[in-house]
Amino acid sequence: GAGVSQTPSNKVTEKGKYVELRCDPISGHTALYWYRQSLGQGPEFLIYFQGTGAADDSGLPNDRFFAVRPEGSVSTLKIQRTERGDSAVYLCASSLDPNTEAFFGQGTRLTVV
Amino acid sequence: AQSVTQLGSHVSVSEGALVLLRCNYSSSVPPYLFWYVQYPNQGLQLLLKYTSAATLVKGINGFEAEFKKSETSFHLTKPSAHMSDAAEYFCAVRGKAAGNKLTFGGGTRVLVKP
Repeated sequence: GAGVSQTPSNKVTEKGKYVELRCDPISGHTALYWYRQSLGQGPEFLIYFQGTGAADDSGLPNDRFFAVRPEGSVSTLKIQRTERGDSAVYLCASSLDPNTEAFFGQGTRLTVV
Repeated sequence: AQSVTQLGSHVSVSEGALVLLRCNYSSSVPPYLFWYVQYPNQGLQLLLKYTSAATLVKGINGFEAEFKKSETSFHLTKPSAHMSDAAEYFCAVRGKAAGNKLTFGGGTRVLVKP
């Protein structure tokens, strides 16, 4: 596709469950970012990948959150033992390299009930 | 550490009136600055960016922003609001080190009245 694709667009899960959120970046983009946007707030940085490696994971809130990008393309954000406070829109973005414009996907709205 | 403050979480303007959205940043070195727009149920779209070239930056949809180092500001303006401008707008800052990590403000929701 032409843009960043995120699946699913919506996810409802029960407290304590495990969830995976997927991001397909623009083809050829080496840099990939995850952000979290809580209701009424601006996006907050979670993690940045350059290629397959996490170059900066300083935004991950705790060890329940983990992300991978095994082949340097698709990335998965994994959340264990979900809590109601994890409810938010999770945004993925990619850029050709770390110094160029980042393009955002439409996000995955996660609701923990 | 970098931070961004957007004054006013909601702004209401009449169609045809000036749109002014305020953004102030805090950064130890002159940063890169961005304005993004988010329409309902859509991702963030880049409106314009400042990367240390001209201080007056023109973007898409008739928007422009002026970088004022002395005021640490990067306010967004549009001379004449259109109904289609109703959306949420985010100011963001990024340091010049590689990594493209953006720090966003809290956003300003714009309502356009007919």
